[in-house]
Amino acid sequence: GQQLNQSPQSMFIQEGEDVSMNCTSSSIFNTWLWYKQDPGEGPVLLIALYKAGELTSNGRLTAQFGITRKDSFLNISASIPSDVGIYFCAGHQLSILRDNYGQNFVFGPGTRLSVLP
Amino acid sequence: GAVVSQHPSWVICKSGTSVKIECRSLDFQATTMFWYRQFPKQSLMLMATSNEGSKATYEQGVEKDKFLINHASLTLSTLTVTSAHPEDSSFYICSAPLRRNTGELFFGEGSRLTVL
Repeated sequence: GQQLNQSPQSMFIQEGEDVSMNCTSSSIFNTWLWYKQDPGEGPVLLIALYKAGELTSNGRLTAQFGITRKDSFLNISASIPSDVGIYFCAGHQLSILRDNYGQNFVFGPGTRLSVLP
Repeated sequence: GAVVSQHPSWVICKSGTSVKIECRSLDFQATTMFWYRQFPKQSLMLMATSNEGSKATYEQGVEKDKFLINHASLTLSTLTVTSAHPEDSSFYICSAPLRRNTGELFFGEGSRLTVL
């Protein structure tokens, strides 16, 4: 099946530093989404991107939809302790040919972020 | 954003019993909901797509008789783990798309199942 690759797998940063992580795929997606998951919780949607080249911000978070539609990155500026968690990228394909709607969403393996005080 | 709520958030049961997990869309109607399973330190694994008023679509390798899904209304889907065994212990998460073709998925809080 389709796969998304996320890098880095994990990262340790000092509080106040900026963070960059990215997501790549061999497939084209119509929408890129970034989620954050805290331990024992469900993922929370951070940013949704709909157009190739789109750059969107949500507070200290900035994400971009790659021009090729096969990648996306997420930046976090001035990290704080509550940024700790797992960040998942997800791609959505709009496919009328696919019977199983759920397979239109593909998730990356996640980037585990640790913020040191 | 849209709100999806799961209940219970955690459950402990004896081997052989059945456990029901509810997933509700609180402020929007969801004709489709998705059920995922997540193992420690891993990503989300799609188990099945729940369709309001019709049968669920299961992913390959997911037992239909083990994981019963019912989507009786536009705001409620349930996952029942039947005759649970320790290997069914996991974190189960539901999600629902706000609008079918936009790709925005909203997740419930997750339900931690521990089978003794």
